Amino acid sequence: QKEVEQDPGPLSVPEGAIVSLNCTYSNSAFQYFMWYRQYSRKGPELLMYTYSSGNKEDGRFTAQVDKSSKYISLFIRDSQPSDSATYLCAMSYSGGYQKVTFGTGTKLQVIP
Amino acid sequence: DADVTQTPRNRITKTGKRIMLECSQTKGHDRMYWYRQDPGLGLRLIYYSFDVKDINKGEISDGYSVSRQAQAKFSLSLESAIPNQTALYFCATSHVGGLTDTQYFGPGTRLTVL
Repeated sequence: QKEVEQDPGPLSVPEGAIVSLNCTYSNSAFQYFMWYRQYSRKGPELLMYTYSSGNKEDGRFTAQVDKSSKYISLFIRDSQPSDSATYLCAMSYSGGYQKVTFGTGTKLQVIP
Repeated sequence: DADVTQTPRNRITKTGKRIMLECSQTKGHDRMYWYRQDPGLGLRLIYYSFDVKDINKGEISDGYSVSRQAQAKFSLSLESAIPNQTALYFCATSHVGGLTDTQYFGPGTRLTVL
């Protein structure tokens, strides 16, 4: 079983829809939770990160962490065609350097 | 200009050939990483370096070697390329400090081994 599971999609939604992207994980020691966005033929770029449980909002993006369920989510409100990309969740432990474990990514397409 | 650059961007080579992928960064970060990305497998860490004198193996280092020529340069070598090393390779950097070791990625090198 992989430490981090992510549905690969693809996920197609109409412009303006609310998008929900999710990851589950098995290691309860993870403390930092990140979302990266990767456009085609580009490297991943960090969107948001949260520490421990709770919500974090940044514009149209909201990241949620539910440590009791080992489940994290990224919500995109009012989705735009420019949001079409692959979204990777990532997690790490706390304290000093800790290897970052990435999900395999969910491909999102927002249809105009 | 991009903060993390990789050369070449695309490379086709033959089995058994030696190949080097190069990474340069202008972010001033101490830490540098090499990942490969494969469909269905995600990003996997090959090697990482905390400074010029500190190089560490990642989860899939077999068949690869690295060199940290300077704080800003980190190269990845395939001594004798094989077809299952066909993948998208990313260099990344990070810096000490902040709440987490967030990483900044280069644009990637698409490598095909025939």
